[in-house]
Order: sequence, then C-alpha cells, then structure tokens
Amino acid sequence: GAGVSQSPRYKVAKRGQDVALRCDPISGHVSLFWYQQALGQGPEFLTYFQNEAQLDKSGLPSDRFFAERPEGSVSTLKIQRTQQEDSAVYLCASSLVGLYSGNTIYFGEGSWLTVV
Amino acid sequence: KNEVEQSPQNLTAQEGEFITINCSYSVGISALHWLQQHPGGGIVSLFMLSSGKKKHGRLIATINIQEKHSSLHITASHPRDSAVYICAVLLQYSGGGADGLTFGKGTHLIIQP
Repeated sequence: GAGVSQSPRYKVAKRGQDVALRCDPISGHVSLFWYQQALGQGPEFLTYFQNEAQLDKSGLPSDRFFAERPEGSVSTLKIQRTQQEDSAVYLCASSLVGLYSGNTIYFGEGSWLTVV
Repeated sequence: KNEVEQSPQNLTAQEGEFITINCSYSVGISALHWLQQHPGGGIVSLFMLSSGKKKHGRLIATINIQEKHSSLHITASHPRDSAVYICAVLLQYSGGGADGLTFGKGTHLIIQP
C-alpha cells in the first residue's frame, strides 16, 4: 500500500492477555517509530528502528513491552500480560531516513487497544 | 513541566474566522512539526520548520527560534478544519540512536458552520 498500515485497527483484550500489533511501513522507509497515545493526550515515544536495528527503546514503559523488526520492514509491538493502563492508541510511523535528515514522517491510522 | 506546551487546549470558532494555535518549547530543537489528527486517529504532517515561515493553502506556520515559539494559523476557517492540531519537536541531536518527536498535548479545534 501507499501509506503506513497498522493492524488490528481495534483490539479488546482481557487483562493478562498478550497482544501483538503489526505495522507495515511505507516501502523503502528505513526509520520506523512506535508511539503510545492515551485518550486526550499527545503521542509519546516508545521505540525507534533504523532498518532492523532497534536504536532506541527508552520509551517502552515496562519489560512487558517488546518490539521487533526482524527484516527491516514490518514491525510488531508485543505487549505481554496486558493491564488496564495499557489501553491507548498505538501509532506507528515511518520516514525515508531519519528525521534529522529533514524527512517527512508518515503515520498509520493506529491500533486502538482497550484492556478490560 | 512538559517540554512542549500548546495553547489553547480547546478552541471553538465560527466558519471564516482566523485561527491561531500556539506552541512553546523549553529545549533546543532541530526542527518543529505541526501535525493534524482527525477523529479515528490518523495523523498527517502539515509542516516541518526549522526557521521562518511556511505557507500551504490556508495554513501558515511560523517559528521564532530565539523565543522558542511557533504558531499555526488557519485563514478563512472551515468546518472541515475541525481536528486536533499537534505541535511536535525534534530535539537537538545528541548522538547515539536518538531520533523521534516529542509531542505537545494537542489543540482540539472545532469550526462551527
């Protein structure tokens, strides 16, 4: 597709369940970002990949959160033993190279996670 | 204190009005982004600024690096402009693998017909 694609768009998980959120960046984009957006708040940085290398994971809130991009294209954000405070929109974004090169950032529609 | 502050948080205006949304930041930056988020979550990049002013259609974005302040203006506002407008900064490069935006909380704009 032409844009950043995320799936599932909506996920309801029971507390304690594991979830996996997928991101298909724009083809050829080197940089991939995951953000978490709570209701009424701005997005907050989770992690950043350059190709398959996870260069920054400082924003991951706990060791229950894990992200990978094994072949440098599709990325998966996994949340283990979900808790209610994990309820948020998880946004994936990509750019051709890094943002410091002046590239535009493109966002997916987000995966809306509700933990009940 | 958030590194990026936006004002107002909420703004309701009549169609045709001139709209200004403000963004202040407290850190050194390489660039500032203005983004638009419609209900349903999708975010679109409107502008990326490192100095001066940019214009695209009815949208104008300005930045004053010395004052650490940026504004987004909408001329002849229309109901389809109703969205959340988010200011995000790219911090000055500090080496390592850092690359990512720091976001404000957004301004929820409603334009009434």
